[in-house]
Amino acid sequence: AQKITQTQPGMFVQEKEAVTLDCTYDTSDQSYGLFWYKQPSSGEMIFLIYQGSYDEQNATEGRYSLNFQKARKSANLVISASQLGDSAMYFCAMRDRNTGRRALTFGSGTRLQVQP
Amino acid sequence: DAGITQSPRHKVTETGTPVTLRCHQTENHRYMYWYRQDPGHGLRLIHYSYGVKDTDKGEVSDGYSVSRSKTEDFLLTLESATSSQTSVYFCAISVTGDQETQYFGPGTRLLVL
Repeated sequence: AQKITQTQPGMFVQEKEAVTLDCTYDTSDQSYGLFWYKQPSSGEMIFLIYQGSYDEQNATEGRYSLNFQKARKSANLVISASQLGDSAMYFCAMRDRNTGRRALTFGSGTRLQVQP
Repeated sequence: DAGITQSPRHKVTETGTPVTLRCHQTENHRYMYWYRQDPGHGLRLIHYSYGVKDTDKGEVSDGYSVSRSKTEDFLLTLESATSSQTSVYFCAISVTGDQETQYFGPGTRLLVL
């Protein structure tokens, strides 16, 4: 069974600084996808970034980058130059590409608070 | 915006009553999902659908049923609501392609008294 672990229930960061949110995963599959979602206090789930297990380059999307270390089974999210609007819950998720259902397995999340 | 709406957005009901939540999409995506979100658990899969009338169970399906009679609508039913089903329910669609990113609806907050 797949499992996602986010060991940081809460994080604080100063505005304009970079922050890393940790995510480790467990799977026996060779082909999988890793995702990060942001959930602001308003409640919606916002897709941020994706990394495929066979991608050789770390994914980047604007201020977001994914530090993918396959041997360590980690997929940490790095947010550069934090902004007040980055304060939110962040969820790491994994999709098994080999099963038919294509569903996601989520971690328990990290609450990030950006301080001015 | 993946064109996903959920209704109702908020609902309060009593234990033992049936409840149906609706998810509607406008872009004819084949895969649709229902997740629930509870504190400390992230999102957990209840049921999913891979086409009209094709559905299957997820990890937390007890007490829930689903139906999909049209591509655009995916219904989640609590046959007899219990307090343990108080949660936030998210519908999602999977966009075909290399990433198969899932996009979520706005969520439904359900309180079972």
